[in-house]
Amino acid sequence: DSGVTQTPKHLITATGQRVTLRCSPRSGDLSVYWYQQSLDQGLQFLIQYYNGEERAKGNILERFSAQQFPDLHSELNLSSLELGDSALYFCASSRAGGPADGYTFGSGTRLTVV
Amino acid sequence: GIQVEQSPPDLILQEGANSTLRCNFSDSVNNLQWFHQNPWGQLINLFYIPSGTKQNGRLSATTVATERYSLLYISSSQTTDSGVYFCAVRTSGTYKYIFGTGTRLKVLA
Repeated sequence: DSGVTQTPKHLITATGQRVTLRCSPRSGDLSVYWYQQSLDQGLQFLIQYYNGEERAKGNILERFSAQQFPDLHSELNLSSLELGDSALYFCASSRAGGPADGYTFGSGTRLTVV
Repeated sequence: GIQVEQSPPDLILQEGANSTLRCNFSDSVNNLQWFHQNPWGQLINLFYIPSGTKQNGRLSATTVATERYSLLYISSSQTTDSGVYFCAVRTSGTYKYIFGTGTRLKVLA
């Protein structure tokens, strides 16, 4: 157990729907990162939050949004889902979020859009 | 942006063999990690190694930042080493990691 908890582990939903993925970072970690892993794109950085504030944004679609709550857990909201959004979504956390920090990943949420 | 290339893309080994995985990057980095993604999809941190050499059991890693590459050594491989090995780098002034495309390793019993 890495200490980073992601729920749910699996999610199957229909096109056009909206889903929420949840991540609880390791105890003491302030920074949360979201990544998408698809077969054709590899691991792509989506967004980072540090202590409740957005810190960095990557290849995140406008249909996707995220937030980090006061208790430091984070949610990734995916809306108007398309078949191409099917992927593994990973959350990672780190102590501070600076360039010298290492990541710890959760076990991921496998999203299948049908 | 920075390019991260890993080689070889695929590797098949007999149990007990040794191997070297390579990660080349196109720009200076201030952070580098090696991850193992097991067959169940879990990403496990192996090494945080922006420079120098580290060892952890049968695994060791070396990063030569000035020459822009890192190596992951696996000795006496076991079937549980199977999976995909990713190198991920971070450049100065950025917070995100850029991942390489991975090396897919299969260890045969």
